[in-house]
Amino acid sequence: AAGVIQSPRHLIKEKRETATLKCYPIPRHDTVYWYQQGPGQDPQFLISFYEKMQSDKGSIPDRFSAQQFSDYHSELNMSSLELGDSALYFCASSLGEAGGRGEQFFGPGTRLTVL
Amino acid sequence: AQKVTQAQTEISVVEKEDVTLDCVYETRDTTYYLFWYKQPPSGELVFLIRRNSFDEQNEISGRYSWNFQKSTSSFNFTITASQVVDSAVYFCALSDPSGYSTLTFGKGTMLLVSP
Repeated sequence: AAGVIQSPRHLIKEKRETATLKCYPIPRHDTVYWYQQGPGQDPQFLISFYEKMQSDKGSIPDRFSAQQFSDYHSELNMSSLELGDSALYFCASSLGEAGGRGEQFFGPGTRLTVL
Repeated sequence: AQKVTQAQTEISVVEKEDVTLDCVYETRDTTYYLFWYKQPPSGELVFLIRRNSFDEQNEISGRYSWNFQKSTSSFNFTITASQVVDSAVYFCALSDPSGYSTLTFGKGTMLLVSP
């Protein structure tokens, strides 16, 4: 079965650079969630989209923005990168409100390292 | 606000020992979902189980079992006859089914199983 695809899997950037992470949800899934997991931390919710509209917002820094496109894939744009942005970024997808029942399927994550 | 507490930061056992990972949660919702995820060193989040608040039956899956006690707001996870491959960080998580709810994770318990 098709899973959530995230690209790139690994990314190395310098401070103050920008980064774009991509997420391709499971086919027919219309909801995407982004989570950030710092070293030794638990995943923290950043933002979610349903049908290309932002559905919920968590602890996402103002330097970050995200959107969901007409094909339901999503991109997380991160600017003015800081050392503290080094983390594993997970994308999860679900079908509509099924995400609220926990039917969120996680991608493998993108490991971002900021030097 | 929702909260998940995993009091055990790290547990070390020897192979074939049984081990229980504790999870205590807080929520004002009457309907909610509880989860356990496994995160091996490779980093991906592996879904283990989902339990809704109306189903207090304990569950067993092979060497894994889960004890849901609503009266004490606990959802503990037991691994019987642990194996080295069980070494990972285990996260307990909580969601409420309202809309596009996100997951609230505990801080995780690192399990180290030695041969």
